[in-house]
Amino acid sequence: DGGITQSPKYLFRKEGQNVTLSCEQNLNHDAMYWYRQDPGQGLRLIYYSQIVNDFQKGDIAEGYSVSREKKESFPLTVTSAQKNPTAFYLCASRIGTDYTEAFFGQGTRLTVV
Amino acid sequence: QQQVKQSPQSLIVQKGGISIINCAYENTAFDYFPWYQQFPGKGPALLIAIRPDVSEKKEGRFTISFNKSAKQFSLHIMDSQPGDSATYFCAASKKGTYKYIFGTGTRLKVLA
Repeated sequence: DGGITQSPKYLFRKEGQNVTLSCEQNLNHDAMYWYRQDPGQGLRLIYYSQIVNDFQKGDIAEGYSVSREKKESFPLTVTSAQKNPTAFYLCASRIGTDYTEAFFGQGTRLTVV
Repeated sequence: QQQVKQSPQSLIVQKGGISIINCAYENTAFDYFPWYQQFPGKGPALLIAIRPDVSEKKEGRFTISFNKSAKQFSLHIMDSQPGDSATYFCAASKKGTYKYIFGTGTRLKVLA
């Protein structure tokens, strides 16, 4: 089945540690996205990538980093510089720009203690 | 100009009632307005979408009403069911760009 796979579903880390969230898609989509979801704040864009080896900062990129070495993979690293990393993280992909649907993964809930 | 303002933040409706969620945007270049539905612990999924060349789009019990002059669009859920209880997000995008702009979400609860 085609889709987006995020792993792990739950992740616990100690404060000050970097952590990498995985996102893989087999939809052959060019564009991939990372969103952060907090209660009452909707979906805020962290980073997005339109093509391999290229990515753009979103609205809340500070404290995060990404890579896009393969079309199907777009991992997100939450660094120790992110002040409040505990959140629900969603990865998405789109086939293009014009009137196209975004497909989302099931999310990763990160808790930093 | 990049914001999409969504209201209400939460909504409680009786079974069989009509649920209405509103969104307003500022950027007149937006030309694609989807609505997403999200159940707890899951990723959002596309529910219905509209382009500004029509004023209304209906799919089953779900209808988008679009008012281009007012720069507003709304989701109507007719005959609301407990299974509709979820968080709903409106969004907007512009042809030729990769970014979606999402609203802040509405948590809908339909009472049995």
